[in-house]
Amino acid sequence: KQEVTQIPAALSVPEGENLVLNCSFTDSAIYNLQWFRQDPGKGLTSLLLIQSSQREQTSGRLNASLDKSSGRSTLYIAASQPGDSATYLCAVENYGQNFVFGPGTRLSVLP
Amino acid sequence: KAGVTQTPRYLIKTRGQQVTLSCSPISGHRSVSWYQQTPGQGLQFLFEYFSETQRNKGNFPGRFSGRQFSNSRSEMNVSTLELGDSALYLCASSLSGTGANVLTFGAGSRLTVL
Repeated sequence: KQEVTQIPAALSVPEGENLVLNCSFTDSAIYNLQWFRQDPGKGLTSLLLIQSSQREQTSGRLNASLDKSSGRSTLYIAASQPGDSATYLCAVENYGQNFVFGPGTRLSVLP
Repeated sequence: KAGVTQTPRYLIKTRGQQVTLSCSPISGHRSVSWYQQTPGQGLQFLFEYFSETQRNKGNFPGRFSGRQFSNSRSEMNVSTLELGDSALYLCASSLSGTGANVLTFGAGSRLTVL
């Protein structure tokens, strides 16, 4: 059974800092991995999708990497802004199964 | 391009009642999946529908059911509501539900059971 964990559970940084969020999964036979952000009381917004054959994806100030063999993914946020404050979730999809989500990292970027 | 639409956004029910939630996917998306989100359990998968067929089901009691119509719109139903069913119910749509398809989520339906 796939299990997904995220470290840290919460993070508070001053504006302008670069930061890394971590995601670990137990079953490396994944189809793809997605990173989402969720604002309080809202739905999830997809940030990046990394297919199993890829090592990283970039979108603006965001860069996500994937190391299937070690069961890890990182989300790098450059030059953080107060608008980046949200909960960040990673989700993995195994073949023939649906997405399993991590518990999320709650990020606060202080002005 | 319209996003995923969930209705109602908020609702309050009492124990023992039943509730039906609706999800309209992005045009052209044939897969709709449902998730329950609570502070204690996080996001948990309920079920996924593709072309009117339930393709996957999570570990929830039979009180939770769903269906998908020919236009890909989906509904989920919870019968005999319990206090623990209070949660944010999210639906997500994708083109085919597997592979390199990005999940697009709706804003959710927040259910409070009193």
